Amino acid sequence: GAVVSQHPSWVICKSGTSVKIECRSLDFQATTMFWYRQFPKQSLMLMATSNEGSKATYEQGVEKDKFLINHASLTLSTLTVTSAHPEDSSFYICSASLPGRANYSNQPQHFGDGTRLSIL
Amino acid sequence: AQSVAQPEDQVNVAEGNPLTVKCTYSVSGNPYLFWYVQYPNRGLQFLLKYITGDNLVKGSYGFEAEFNKSQTSFHLKKPSALVSDSALYFCAVRPMNTGFQKLVFGTGTRLLVSP
Repeated sequence: GAVVSQHPSWVICKSGTSVKIECRSLDFQATTMFWYRQFPKQSLMLMATSNEGSKATYEQGVEKDKFLINHASLTLSTLTVTSAHPEDSSFYICSASLPGRANYSNQPQHFGDGTRLSIL
Repeated sequence: AQSVAQPEDQVNVAEGNPLTVKCTYSVSGNPYLFWYVQYPNRGLQFLLKYITGDNLVKGSYGFEAEFNKSQTSFHLKKPSALVSDSALYFCAVRPMNTGFQKLVFGTGTRLLVSP
């Protein structure tokens, strides 16, 4: 159980296009999902917290208009990189937690396999 | 500020030998602590967590970790390493006062197990 699916695995596209990445919880409902960005040989950087039915909460320094997040259902969150440029090339990973105690904080996050985004 | 330190960029160990991957944390209050493993071009896989109780926590694939409150450490250990354990390991902390479920990750330690 607790499978998180992320699609696509790889994306290569031209500069200026928009790219949508999907994150699905396959066997559980996730009211909260997280989006991370990972640079080569570096740790994960939390970009935003995605909340079902409401606006995402972005971390400081992350452009809301650049990285659009939609969490329209309890099993799907999407990240759209708008007008992508080469500096947006990175590995993007989503995660979700199983429902648990009041604030879910004792539950581990379950991660998707990531999306490698390359902007030419 | 909450932070997690993994002092070693890389740990090398021979197959069959015990391994330790170090992690120390700095948070206010009691933290929830996690270890994750990442294989190339993959997401993170959960290994184990410490919430409360016994300081020695056992997790997946034979890994265990020891919570030491006085030293604010949560080192990952395995009695006998396998070549297949070679991967990138992340320690993470979830401070109790974050409101949401935010995880603060360390910088990661690459484990190389030689045959």
